[in-house]
Amino acid sequence: AQTVTQSQPEMSVQEAETVTLSCTYDTSESDYYLFWYKQPPSRQMILVIRQEAYKQQNATENRFSVNFQKAAKSFSLKISDSQLGDAAMYFCAYRSAYAGGTSYGKLTFGQGTILTVHP
Amino acid sequence: DTEVTQTPKHLVMGMTNKKSLKCEQHMGHRAMYWYKQKAKKPPELMFVYSYEKLSINESVPSRFSPECPNSSLLNLHLHALQPEDSALYLCASSQKDRGSREKLFFGSGTQLSVL
Repeated sequence: AQTVTQSQPEMSVQEAETVTLSCTYDTSESDYYLFWYKQPPSRQMILVIRQEAYKQQNATENRFSVNFQKAAKSFSLKISDSQLGDAAMYFCAYRSAYAGGTSYGKLTFGQGTILTVHP
Repeated sequence: DTEVTQTPKHLVMGMTNKKSLKCEQHMGHRAMYWYKQKAKKPPELMFVYSYEKLSINESVPSRFSPECPNSSLLNLHLHALQPEDSALYLCASSQKDRGSREKLFFGSGTQLSVL
């Protein structure tokens, strides 16, 4: 079974600064997807960024980028120029690519990191 | 329309009540999900429907009964719940694109309190 570990229960950052959230995972599969989701106080789960394991290039989405180290099974999220609206709980998640045809696989979440942004 | 709509947003029920949660999407997605989330914890998968058929049941107690009447609608019927079932219930939907890339869209959830 796959597991996802976020070792930082809480992180804080000053507005306009950069912060990195850590995530490690354990899997015996070679093809999979990794995600970072943001859950603000409204509790809506919002996809921040995704990474396909077969891609060596790290994904970026505006101020959000990842450092994907497949051999180390590490998938960290870097938030640049932090804004007050970035304050939320962030979840790292894993999904197998072997869902098979039209069947859909299970998303496994880490325990989450609460990010506080100070003005 | 890129929304997953869940109703009601809040629900309070007694342990002997029967209630239902509703989830709707009009994106043409053929997979729909129910997740349960306790406060400050990650979502836990309950059920997956693929093409209106139940494909995954994560050993959920029978007091939770899912139903997928059509490709746009997903219900979760609740009966004889326990106080520990109080949680946020999230619905999600997804569809693979041509490259088999799948994106999950979440609703904003139903906050359930069982008294």
